[in-house]
Order: sequence, then C-alpha cells, then structure tokens
Amino acid sequence: GESVGLHLPTLSVQEGDNSIINCAYSNSASDYFIWYKQESGKGPQFIIDIRSNMDKRQGQRVTVLLNKTVKHLSLQIAATQPGDSAVYFCAETPRRSQGNLIFGKGTKLSVKP
Amino acid sequence: NAGVTQTPKFRILKIGQSMTLQCTQDMNHNYMYWYRQDPGMGLKLIYYSVGAGITDKGEVPNGYNVSRSTTEDFPLRLELAAPSQTSVYFCASIGVVGGPPHFGNGTRLTVT
Repeated sequence: GESVGLHLPTLSVQEGDNSIINCAYSNSASDYFIWYKQESGKGPQFIIDIRSNMDKRQGQRVTVLLNKTVKHLSLQIAATQPGDSAVYFCAETPRRSQGNLIFGKGTKLSVKP
Repeated sequence: NAGVTQTPKFRILKIGQSMTLQCTQDMNHNYMYWYRQDPGMGLKLIYYSVGAGITDKGEVPNGYNVSRSTTEDFPLRLELAAPSQTSVYFCASIGVVGGPPHFGNGTRLTVT
C-alpha cells in the first residue's frame, strides 16, 4: 500500500545499533505525551507515554525523554531490529483537551540488516 | 475483544458522492475520535465525542459530520465528497482521558 512515510525525515540505522528519534512539540500547556509506531497500511500503535511531571520513562527496549524547557521529546530504541522499521510519531495532549492528540509530522526509521 | 474496527478498508468515490465511514469499539470506551492522515503528515483531528449523544469539532471538521447514538459506534459522514478529502481516516478511542488512544487500522479514501 501507499507509504505514509513520503516526504518524512528518515533515520537509517544498522541492526543492533541504538536509535534516537526526536520531536519538538508545540503546546507548552501539554501535559501528556505519547510515542506511536505506524507500519504501512496500519493504524498508529502505542509504544510508550510520559506525563509532564516526569523527565524519563523506560519500557522494554524503549526510553522516552522529555525536556519541557525546550519542548522536546525523544524516543530511544535499544538494539534496533528490522521489525522496528516504521514511521514514528510523537503526539501531545494539551491539558483539558478531552484527550485530543496533536501529532508531530513523523520520522521514518529504516533498519539495515 | 476486537478493539477498534473500521469499515470499509478502501473506498473510491466520485466528486459529489456521499458515504459513511464506520467505526465501532468493543471496549466500552467513552471517548472516540476521528483523524485524517494525508501523505507524509501526522494525523489531524476531525471530530470527537466524549460520550453517547455528545460530539464536538476538532481541527479540520469542514465537509464532515458525525453522530454518536451508542457508546460503541461513531460513524463519520461525508455528504459531498471533494478531492481534498482524499486521505486515510483513523478512528480511535480511550476509556478515560489521560491514557493512550487505541487506533483502528484506517479507511483509505480516494475522491476522483
């Protein structure tokens, strides 16, 4: 199917290396942040989230860092695997927004075996 | 437990035709959302609902309508399809605000 990764920034890494995907968010009133993974032809899949009262959160092979001073999020993937190849989006939820998400543009991660 | 189910998966419409994109969830979630995703872009919010009988506009509501007669279903209606509505449409839901929305697999719509 048509790739949702057209015209997206691309990060190419070697299998086994660590990946870092960055995101600048827009709303200083946002208090909840999510990273999604999207494979071709599928909907966004939840990876990890973080609230604004935290700076760092770790999951299985993934870590999210939040820098509220410069409104920056990053997603670190350890020991990147071919199955990690996808488009990654950050999303923010402004306070009192009824859960509405504001999505970043996305980064396409390509893992070379 | 199927999660969020969207139908159809693909559709081609002629300009001026109408259609309804279906979304249903079996998780008893109160909050439901419709997003559209254009090529190379993130998702943008069209409409959302915080419960049965309640709907509200998102960032890009023009050309669309929604209804929420039950907790499970949140259909999106296009009355007069236009080429600018060519996109992939995603439905999402959450039980309470503060958790990550679950997404369906989308409906790819082409208007020619």
